[in-house]
Amino acid sequence: GAGVSQTPSNKVTEKGKYVELRCDPISGHTALYWYRQSLGQGPEFLIYFQGTGAADDSGLPNDRFFAVRPEGSVSTLKIQRTERGDSAVYLCASRSGTTCSYNEQFFGPGTRLTVL
Amino acid sequence: DQQVKQNSPSLSVQEGRISILNCDYTNSMFDYFLWYKKYPAEGPTFLISISSIKDKNEDGRFTVFLNKSAKHLSLHIVPSQPGDSAVYFCAASGAGNQFYFGTGTSLTVIP
Repeated sequence: GAGVSQTPSNKVTEKGKYVELRCDPISGHTALYWYRQSLGQGPEFLIYFQGTGAADDSGLPNDRFFAVRPEGSVSTLKIQRTERGDSAVYLCASRSGTTCSYNEQFFGPGTRLTVL
Repeated sequence: DQQVKQNSPSLSVQEGRISILNCDYTNSMFDYFLWYKKYPAEGPTFLISISSIKDKNEDGRFTVFLNKSAKHLSLHIVPSQPGDSAVYFCAASGAGNQFYFGTGTSLTVIP
């Protein structure tokens, strides 16, 4: 079956612009995560959805970052007034199950965001 | 504040020998640990996991060891194969749903 997909694969934007990054999780997976991976670092947690609601958004760095998952499937990460420091690979992962963390996450290939 | 640390950024091993990748963590509340493998331009893929009630989990050529008192885990790959060359990330999770990742170790298996 299809894995997690993310679009676009690459996004180049100018400082101050607004961007949207999309994640299509594996069908039926109720849990969805967004991570940010900077060069030379591991994935850094941003936000976690259980169904339609953001169960944990404590990793969002500031109020320029926002994510939605209106129908409990596709999610969009939105970044306003982008800054050069936002340049990174943004990874999405999905997982089946509910509150138990004891199963694996499946990652998408990521969106490489470059802010000029 | 890095709660999961991989202190070796890179490792080179001869094909057929054992690869040992190490990971340390600071949060004693972590109770589930995972290893992910990542190829360039791809997302991380799950490799093997261990819960804190165990000290060893084996899956084919891959074995993960957990030492809770030392807050240390390691991934053993034996025998190592050229296709194992990738970046390996250690991750940990506690009561919440956040997963904390290390900075990764780049493994090169030399034919």
